[in-house]
Amino acid sequence: GAVVSQHPSRVICKSGTSVKIECRSLDFQATTMFWYRQFPKQSLMLMATSNEGSKATYEQGVEKDKFLINHASLTLSTLTVTSAHPEDSSFYICSARDVGAGGTEAFFGQGTRLTVV
Amino acid sequence: AQSVTQLDSQVPVFEEAPVELRCNYSSSVSVYLFWYVQYPNQGLQLLLKYLSGSTLVKGINGFEAEFNKSQTSFHLRKPSVHISDTAEYFCAVSDLASGTYKYIFGTGTRLKVLA
Repeated sequence: GAVVSQHPSRVICKSGTSVKIECRSLDFQATTMFWYRQFPKQSLMLMATSNEGSKATYEQGVEKDKFLINHASLTLSTLTVTSAHPEDSSFYICSARDVGAGGTEAFFGQGTRLTVV
Repeated sequence: AQSVTQLDSQVPVFEEAPVELRCNYSSSVSVYLFWYVQYPNQGLQLLLKYLSGSTLVKGINGFEAEFNKSQTSFHLRKPSVHISDTAEYFCAVSDLASGTYKYIFGTGTRLKVLA
């Protein structure tokens, strides 16, 4: 299947700083990417849908000014956690649709473990 | 809105015994269904998927699932589990009607295989 690369896999940052997480589709073009958040021992919660060349669509309850999403190209979406606080510590996972292959399936990155200290 | 229910939060089972992990979704005209496995501190690995066609779907690692439209279920089964199957399993639904292909995940089932 198609490969989605997420970077970094782990990051520790100080409270109040910003962190950027990258999600790349390596061998396909992705007009749509999705960002999920997973708290320990819980399920994945969709945060936002990232659309290439347009604004992201955020799910209810997700602060768009805190979680900035940029999808500037067909192979890259970034999630920036601004002014991070310890409660933002979580596992963040992205996924991307391979529109060229019909787009029926999304492929997932390996996730980013964010720890805010 | 689409929703996914995994009734069992934890399932302990002895090695070489069969297992079934249950998944039910809310009704929709058409959906895609998926099962993923997640090992600690890792991303999701696709086990199997149902897009159309045969309702019995075979996946990797000896897993299979059956799509039952009337019961809106997509239960995951394995006839004989191994210690290495210990992990978190997520059922997911992609609602075609929404047009976005975003996934809705169940709350997960922790499978613990006992020696």
